[in-house]
Amino acid sequence: GAVVSQHPSRVICKSGTSVKIECRSLDFQATTMFWYRQFPKKSLMLMATSNEGSKATYEQGVEKDKFLINHASLTLSTLTVTSAHPEDSSFYICSAWVQNTEAFFGQGTRLTVV
Amino acid sequence: KQEVTQIPAALSVPEGENLVLNCSFTDSAIYNLQWFRQDPGKGLTSLLLIQSSQREQTSGRLNASLDKSSGRSTLYIAASQPGDSATYLCAVSAGNQFYFGTGTSLTVIP
Repeated sequence: GAVVSQHPSRVICKSGTSVKIECRSLDFQATTMFWYRQFPKKSLMLMATSNEGSKATYEQGVEKDKFLINHASLTLSTLTVTSAHPEDSSFYICSAWVQNTEAFFGQGTRLTVV
Repeated sequence: KQEVTQIPAALSVPEGENLVLNCSFTDSAIYNLQWFRQDPGKGLTSLLLIQSSQREQTSGRLNASLDKSSGRSTLYIAASQPGDSATYLCAVSAGNQFYFGTGTSLTVIP
């Protein structure tokens, strides 16, 4: 199946700094990329939907200035957590999707803010 | 808005048992339904994809069915193994959105 590469898999950062997470579709072009956040023992919570070349659509309650999403090409989307705080510590997962077909997920990024 | 529910939330079975995981969705206007597996601290692995025009898909010991009219899907796992222990998530796609279920945490006891 198709491969989605998410990097880094783990990151520890100091409070107040920014962290960038990359999501790449390696062997296909994705119409849309989704960013999810997952709390311990919970299902995935959709944060935002991004389409190449346009602004991301954020879910209610997700701060767009805090979680900056850039979708520069059909194979790359980035999520930047700005001015990170300990409450931003979580598991973040991206997904790449060609509309109405199968969705493929990255391996996730464990963010710890200290 | 589409809501996807999975029952049970957690399931523990002895090795070798056949089991069924359930997924229900509120809006039958879907394009497809996908079942995923998630191991602790890991991303999602796609198990089966059922297009809206299909009734079921099979892969090895896994069989997934889809009944759009009733808003239900089941994932059948035959002869369960300890390695099947994971969280199983279903998701439906509609328009340009993907809606996840709440997940079923499966433990297969050796």
